[in-house]
Amino acid sequence: DAMVIQNPRYQVTQFGKPVTLSCSQTLNHNVMYWYQQKSSQAPKLLFHYYDKDFNNEADTPDNFQSRRPNTSFCFLDIRSPGLGDAAMYLCATSRVSTGGWAFFGQGTRLTVV
Amino acid sequence: AQSVTQLGSHVSVSEGALVLLRCNYSSSVPPYLFWYVQYPNQGLQLLLKYTSAATLVKGINGFEAEFKKSETSFHLTKPSAHMSDAAEYFCAVSGGSAGNTPLVFGKGTRLSVIA
Repeated sequence: DAMVIQNPRYQVTQFGKPVTLSCSQTLNHNVMYWYQQKSSQAPKLLFHYYDKDFNNEADTPDNFQSRRPNTSFCFLDIRSPGLGDAAMYLCATSRVSTGGWAFFGQGTRLTVV
Repeated sequence: AQSVTQLGSHVSVSEGALVLLRCNYSSSVPPYLFWYVQYPNQGLQLLLKYTSAATLVKGINGFEAEFKKSETSFHLTKPSAHMSDAAEYFCAVSGGSAGNTPLVFGKGTRLSVIA
């Protein structure tokens, strides 16, 4: 019954070691988002896809990349994680006709050691 | 461009008391407005949404919010707080029917409920 699924829920990675977070959806929504949320802060949009069209926020570091191989899956790649990248990463989906109403996954808590 | 301001980073109420969490928005187009709740180490769950229909919106868990254009506000209320309401609450805005505009979140309000 889960609709937006993020794996893993908790990820520990070493400083500088590439890491990939995954998100899948069963809603067939055409828009997928990645947000970064640091402790006690609001979610911050990193990028989003409208179908295959990629939209990068101006202040998203180059260290963050994303792939969307098909409608159902989206990946967040962090090429060289730093201590400052430790955060909760939230995947969300929406249908463009619903004006931004987004469904969120449970998030992946990333720890960098 | 859209933005929201949540007044009060932390609100504390007694169990059974009224809950009022404040949100003011700024938008260059008719907005869609949302309230989400987040429990520790969880994702965001939609409480309710305003999408240009009825100005008084009822959501889950007994919450409701009223869209007031004249005050550019969308405050969240619940008549009687329950211990399980303790969480972080985020107000968010999008460009509404203008199309593909991601949600922009406020900074959040942490609600504590005292027994």
